[in-house]
Amino acid sequence: DAGVTQSPTHLIKTRGQHVTLRCSPISGHKSVSWYQQVLGQGPQFIFQYYEKEERGRGNFPDRFSARQFPNYSSELNVNALLLGDSALYLCASSYLSLAGVNEQFFGPGTRLTVL
Amino acid sequence: KQEVTQIPAALSVPEGENLVLNCSFTDSAIYNLQWFRQDPGKGLTSLLLIQSSQREQTSGRLNASLDKSSGRSTLYIAASQPGDSATYLCAVRRGEDPGGSQGNLIFGKGTKLSVKP
Repeated sequence: DAGVTQSPTHLIKTRGQHVTLRCSPISGHKSVSWYQQVLGQGPQFIFQYYEKEERGRGNFPDRFSARQFPNYSSELNVNALLLGDSALYLCASSYLSLAGVNEQFFGPGTRLTVL
Repeated sequence: KQEVTQIPAALSVPEGENLVLNCSFTDSAIYNLQWFRQDPGKGLTSLLLIQSSQREQTSGRLNASLDKSSGRSTLYIAASQPGDSATYLCAVRRGEDPGGSQGNLIFGKGTKLSVKP
């Protein structure tokens, strides 16, 4: 079975531009979460979506937005890019159930560089 | 506010040595704890997940323990190999509500492990 996939792998943008990152969860997983990992730090939570609804949001500005589609894939959008947005963006999926373990599985990430 | 700390930040050991990585968290009200491995510039690979009701989990040469009351977890790696060189991240999940607002993971900064041949 395919794992979590993300596209693109790498991206270079300039300040002020907009970027869209994409994520496809593991088949059967209905929850997708996004994390930002700055070099030398642990990942920081941005959003969680479950059944196409936003269920959680981390401490990020409104320039960050996301959505989940009927096939459970997801997009992360960042407007008005700043140099500080340069990071590895990670997507994670999980199969959520009341009695389940709810382990999160991560994709390979998208490396965003803002110049 | 939940905070996760990993000590040491970096560790270098000779091949074959047994080692322990430490993770501590400030709020004992967790749902589960996961240990991940991250190779440079890559995504996260889940190694072990411990539910809050469990004390330990084992997979091959890896053993993770959890002491919720003291807010600590350890990852034990037996007979280390150069291929174990990577950054190891610990993360806790706060809530049990599936899809709820507390379903996200809170990570430490990781321990960078180097195993010398």
